[in-house]
Amino acid sequence: QSVLTQSPSASGTPGQRVTISCSGISSNIGTYTVNWYQHLPGTAPRLLIYSDNHRPSGVPDRFSASKSGTSASLAISGLQSEDEADYYCATWDDSLNGHLVFGAGTKLTVL
Amino acid sequence: QVQLQESGPGLVRPSQTLSLTCSVSGASITTTDHYWTWIRHRPGKGLEWIGYIYYSGTTFYNPSLESRLTISVDTSKNQFSLRLISVTAADTAVYYCAKDGTGEGQLVYWGQGTLVTVSS
Repeated sequence: QSVLTQSPSASGTPGQRVTISCSGISSNIGTYTVNWYQHLPGTAPRLLIYSDNHRPSGVPDRFSASKSGTSASLAISGLQSEDEADYYCATWDDSLNGHLVFGAGTKLTVL
Repeated sequence: QVQLQESGPGLVRPSQTLSLTCSVSGASITTTDHYWTWIRHRPGKGLEWIGYIYYSGTTFYNPSLESRLTISVDTSKNQFSLRLISVTAADTAVYYCAKDGTGEGQLVYWGQGTLVTVSS
C-alpha cells in the first residue's frame, strides 16, 4: 500500500481535460515538492512535472500540475491517444530516516 | 547528454544475490547534486524507489528493502551498483537506474531498464 494515494484509473475522450489527484500527509507532500511521471509499457518513466508545477523542456504545455497542502494534482488538457499511460506522483517523505515515495499510479485510458 | 545503462544477470535463483551495475556517460558520478538512483517496477505493481547514493558515498534506502540492500559507487569506472541479497520471486521486476538532480525525486535521466527474474 502506497503512502501517496492515487485513484487507480481515469479516462477521457480525445480533446477532453482530465485530472489525476495525489493525496499525502504532512511528512511528504506537506513538506516537499511533488514530481509527476508518465510511464508507457516497455519504456522508462518520463519526468512530466517537477517541483510541483514545472515542466521539463520538451513536455507539452497540455500538462500542468498544482499542489495545495497535502494534495497535488496533474491536469492533462486536449487529451490525445498517446497520453494513454500510467501516471505516478512522487515526493520525499521524512519518516523512517527519509525516503522517496511513489503513488500507486493512475492508469489513464483514452476512450 | 547523460546516458545510463543497466547490466547484470536476467535470472537469479531464490535466496541468492541480485547484482546490477549502472554505467554512466555524459556526467561524472562524482559531481555534486547528482543522486544515483535505483527504481524497480514489479509486474502488476507501481514504481518502487529502491534507494540512491550520493557522490560522497552517502546512501538512502527504501525502508522495506534496507536490510537486504547495498548501493555502491565505483568512481574509477563511473558506475554505481545495486546488491540485493536473499531474493525471492517478489523481487522479480524491471530494474531502472536513474539520476536524481535534487535528491527529492527529480529523475530526468533514466536507463532503459533491465528485467530480472527470480526463479529456480
